[in-house]
Amino acid sequence: EVQLVESGGGLIQPGGSLRLSCAASGFTVSGSYMSWVRQAPGRGLEWVSVIYSSGNTYYVDSVKGRFTISRDNSKNTLYLQMNSLRAEDTAVYYCARGVRGYYDFWGQGTRVTVSS
Amino acid sequence: QTVVTQEPSVSVSPGGTVTLTCALNSDSVSTSYYPSWYQQTPGQAPRTLIHSTNIRSSGVPDRFSGSILGNKAALTITGAQADDESDYYCVLYMRSGTSWVFGGGTKLTVL
Repeated sequence: EVQLVESGGGLIQPGGSLRLSCAASGFTVSGSYMSWVRQAPGRGLEWVSVIYSSGNTYYVDSVKGRFTISRDNSKNTLYLQMNSLRAEDTAVYYCARGVRGYYDFWGQGTRVTVSS
Repeated sequence: QTVVTQEPSVSVSPGGTVTLTCALNSDSVSTSYYPSWYQQTPGQAPRTLIHSTNIRSSGVPDRFSGSILGNKAALTITGAQADDESDYYCVLYMRSGTSWVFGGGTKLTVL
């Protein structure tokens, strides 16, 4: 059974850093492409980043240079390192498994609040 | 800037049929954008309904169907039920393979 479990969210001050984790089971993250998608309070879903099985990574413009997506194959875990956090990064962050252009499995999300 | 547009809100009567659409500001939506649709209820993770334009995900009732209508992707619900009341999001896979873009979502009311 495929499962994705996010962790690492919390309250952080503007300018701070946070690392989100997404522990996967039932498949290997290295063999799939994995994304982070976020949802600000009361807003819609926003694609944030992807890491392909090749290791290539891509980001939405608003987080380029601040966020880094990565994976640990030995732990079968996806990460999102978030630096220089801003109030507008406040959101629930979901990890999702991608296949053939869409997302077939989603985690339950982890909440990040950027506030002083 | 790439913008994907959905109707902000739509209502349907129980048992009725409703179509939600997904438009791209810079191009006509085609199957090459692999349009997919997701259902989300408050406080829950998204649920995948339709992928690759018109393929239902496992366990999705056949009252949900996807298509291309004109220059937009479309999600049609035939015989709407009360528990279909949710937010619906489309997402397009950009041909460059470097990003996906979500629509703003449609809030569906069944009344």
